Amino acid sequence: NAGVTQTPKFRILKIGQSMTLQCTQDMNHNYMYWYRQDPGMGLKLIYYSVGAGITDKGEVPNGYNVSRSTTEDFPLRLELAAPSQTSVYFCASSYGTGDTEAFFGQGTRLTVV
Amino acid sequence: AQSVTQLGSHVSVSEGALVLLRCNYSSSVPPYLFWYVQYPNQGLQLLLKYTSAATLVKGINGFEAEFKKSETSFHLTKPSAHMSDAAEYFCAVSDFRGSARQLTFGSGTQLTVLP
Repeated sequence: NAGVTQTPKFRILKIGQSMTLQCTQDMNHNYMYWYRQDPGMGLKLIYYSVGAGITDKGEVPNGYNVSRSTTEDFPLRLELAAPSQTSVYFCASSYGTGDTEAFFGQGTRLTVV
Repeated sequence: AQSVTQLGSHVSVSEGALVLLRCNYSSSVPPYLFWYVQYPNQGLQLLLKYTSAATLVKGINGFEAEFKKSETSFHLTKPSAHMSDAAEYFCAVSDFRGSARQLTFGSGTQLTVLP
């Protein structure tokens, strides 16, 4: 059982470049999330999705885009990368919300130089 | 919006000593509260959660947390620390915003276990 899989694990981007962070889950979860983790700041929600075709902004969506064409996949797109986007990105999924557990991928460490 | 405050960004304990990690929340209604653990270079893993069924919640690896409404606290404890407990711990609250409930995380507490 793979759970939540993120690729790549590491990436270095130059300012202005674009990239897509991939996330896939095999638990048939409706809810999926993208977070960024910065030292001493905890995790901040970037975007989330409540099902295929439905996405919504989280706390820090600027500079990012998402799509959800299937239940399994929830890619995060960075357009025109900036140094402020240097962070560790986590994808997560859950069966529901409220008191249900969120399952996390192992993260993508992104550096923008 | 609800918020979570974790007191102490770094906590060090000796192996075998009591672990106490503090978490306070702000909420006008009974919340859903969680503790997650993050081992180095890994994603977050659920330790335990409070859903109003019982105020003392037991989780994995010998951890437990007590919900105290009067103190708006949900502190995490373990009677005897083990070297393998060294990790970062996050308290989180489930908050309804936008079209669904979302997790709001505290800033985290790095636990160091000294031999």
